[in-house]
Amino acid sequence: GENVEQHPSTLSVQEGDSAVIKCTYSDSASNYFPWYKQELGKGPQLIIDIRSNVGEKKDQRIAVTLNKTAKHFSLHITETQPEDSAVYFCAAENFGNEKLTFGTGTRLTIIP
Amino acid sequence: DTGVSQDPRHKITKRGQNVTFRCDPISEHNRLYWYRQTLGQGPEFLTYFQNEAQLEKSRLLSDRFSAERPKGSFSTLEIQRTEQGDSAMYLCASSPNGLRGTEAFFGQGTRLTVV
Repeated sequence: GENVEQHPSTLSVQEGDSAVIKCTYSDSASNYFPWYKQELGKGPQLIIDIRSNVGEKKDQRIAVTLNKTAKHFSLHITETQPEDSAVYFCAAENFGNEKLTFGTGTRLTIIP
Repeated sequence: DTGVSQDPRHKITKRGQNVTFRCDPISEHNRLYWYRQTLGQGPEFLTYFQNEAQLEKSRLLSDRFSAERPKGSFSTLEIQRTEQGDSAMYLCASSPNGLRGTEAFFGQGTRLTVV
C-alpha cells in the first residue's frame, strides 16, 4: 500500500519568513496530493491540493510543488503569520483506491 | 453551518461498553469516509461509503467496529466492547460525486476516551 513520509515533524519560523514542508510517497500510481491544516481540537481543513498533471499550484501565500519522477511534493508558505501556527498534514491518493494516506504531520510554530 | 457535522464531540466510556457516533455529511456528497487519528499521528482510513454501499474497509476495522449509512445520508460508527486502545479521534469526511481526487471535507471529529 501507499506510504507517505513527512518532514520535518516540527518547524519554527520567524513571522514574515517562509516555511517549507516536504513529503515523499511510495506508490507511483498516486495522482492526487492534498494538504490539510489542523488546529487544536478541530478536524483537518483542506488548504491546497495538486493533481499529477500539474507541477505547481499557488493560492495567495501558499504554494505546492510536485515532482512525480522523484515522488515528492512540498508545501511552501510565504510571509508567515501567527495564524499559520498549526499542524499540517500532507496526503496522497490513488484514484483507484478512493482513500487518502496521510503523513505524520508537521507542527508549525510562527514566532512573533 | 453546511459543513460535515459529527456528534458527539467528546465521549468518555468505560472499557467494555458500546459506543455509537454519528456523522452528517455535506448534503449531496455521495461519498462518506471514516478515519481514526491518534495523538501525534495523521488520520488513518477506516472505511468508505458510496451512497449507502460500504465499498471498502481497512484491516484496522476489527469485527468490534461496524459502520452504516442506511439511506445514503448520515452515517453511524459503532464500537462494541470498547478497549483502551480504541481511544482516539474519530473523523468523518465527505466528498462530492464526480471527478475522483476531489477534496474531502472533514468534520470536527469525535474524541473517544476509554477508561
